[in-house]
Amino acid sequence: QSVLTQPPSVSGAPGQRVTISCTGSSSNIGAGYDVHWYQQLPGTAPNLLIYGNNNRPSGVPDRFSGSKSGTSASLAITGLQAEDEADYYCQSYDSSLSGFVVFGGGTKLTVL
Amino acid sequence: QVQLVQSGAEVKKPGASVKVSCKASGYTFTTYGISWVRQAPGQGLEWMGWISAYNGNTNYAQKFQGRVTMTTDTSTSTTYMELRSLRSDDTAVYYCARVRVAASPGDYWGQGILVTVSS
Repeated sequence: QSVLTQPPSVSGAPGQRVTISCTGSSSNIGAGYDVHWYQQLPGTAPNLLIYGNNNRPSGVPDRFSGSKSGTSASLAITGLQAEDEADYYCQSYDSSLSGFVVFGGGTKLTVL
Repeated sequence: QVQLVQSGAEVKKPGASVKVSCKASGYTFTTYGISWVRQAPGQGLEWMGWISAYNGNTNYAQKFQGRVTMTTDTSTSTTYMELRSLRSDDTAVYYCARVRVAASPGDYWGQGILVTVSS
């Protein structure tokens, strides 16, 4: 059971917009801690997609965007492409005894 | 360019220990820390802990307290993670990631090390 809750799967057709939610609590996202997002292609290491809630590292297309409100955060992907099919994870900090850094359980994005 | 190169795959018996490495290059090693994250087969990411390459300070996830030790060797820009009393559910790919502090995002990741625990 992950401290941050993500939907197990989402899907969309090429060109569409999808969002992935990441729901936390008052000890992590709700406490104001930043949320980061990763994309993990099959058989590879995670790749940083969004940091500090809504910032993109250089090289990440502006089709990817992040937002945060209250105890939740969201990753939005517009203009969906076949290469976006991957697992996506959110990460934040947690001040409870669960200890420091926490991840969401991950969301599998399928491009139809 | 920044690179994190991890050591090779390991096969261990239950109860044994494993020590894996993560060699950094392309940046000033002591200005960042290293987090260790593992991923069991078909499962999500799990944070294990963080070590500062500047002063060796560590933060371990409560789940691994007493069973994990992270160290650094600044002379070789290498970070080590030792996990003891291995169980079958420790079978996973272990990643190292460059971070500023424990709560920071990992901006560069190693390629991962498969550790298999089996009798």
